[in-house]
Amino acid sequence: GDSVTQMEGPVTLSEEAFLTINCTYTATGYPSLFWYVQYPGEGLQLLLKATKADDKGSNKGFEATYRKETTSFHLEKGSVQVSDSAVYFCALSDSSYKLIFGSGTRLLVRP
Amino acid sequence: DSGVTQTPKHLITATGQRVTLRCSPRSGDLSVYWYQQSLDQGLQFLIQYYNGEERAKGNILERFSAQQFPDLHSELNLSSLELGDSALYFCASSPRTGAHRETQYFGPGTRLLVL
Repeated sequence: GDSVTQMEGPVTLSEEAFLTINCTYTATGYPSLFWYVQYPGEGLQLLLKATKADDKGSNKGFEATYRKETTSFHLEKGSVQVSDSAVYFCALSDSSYKLIFGSGTRLLVRP
Repeated sequence: DSGVTQTPKHLITATGQRVTLRCSPRSGDLSVYWYQQSLDQGLQFLIQYYNGEERAKGNILERFSAQQFPDLHSELNLSSLELGDSALYFCASSPRTGAHRETQYFGPGTRLLVL
């Protein structure tokens, strides 16, 4: 079945460092891809999405490009802030629109 | 604030008991999804309803059931609770049509602790 694999965390960075969180997927069709963020004690917030190959989703300085040839959707940010500390989930939407999530990657940004 | 509300925020109960979690979707959204987040299983899809009808089922135990009412709110019923049912339960809703119909907006979750 469809699945999503994310890099293991935690990822610890200093403020203003460059961030990459890797995400790859396996799917039979052409899913839409998402990044959600979960701040401590809160629910999931949609960060960005891409619905077809070569689409780039972006929001709040975060970007991810839908790469069909490598089945990847890596999350990047040029300069992280302490307030970006959270758990990031990569997900795909299958043909029934349900979300299949990766295991999540915890990001800790130090001042 | 996503516009999806869930009650209660926290729930503590004993093994063998039954609880009901409630979700109100965003205004205008007809689809409701339930997910379970636990330390060992991660985020797992449980069940989806669309305009009162069940549309998809995931890894939902037979002890669990859900329904969506005419006013579109949904309830997830968990019975014969076990320690392993302790988790965060999320509800999400999505628009009925259009380019954003796949985008799901999540509520704040209900944290269930079974003692």
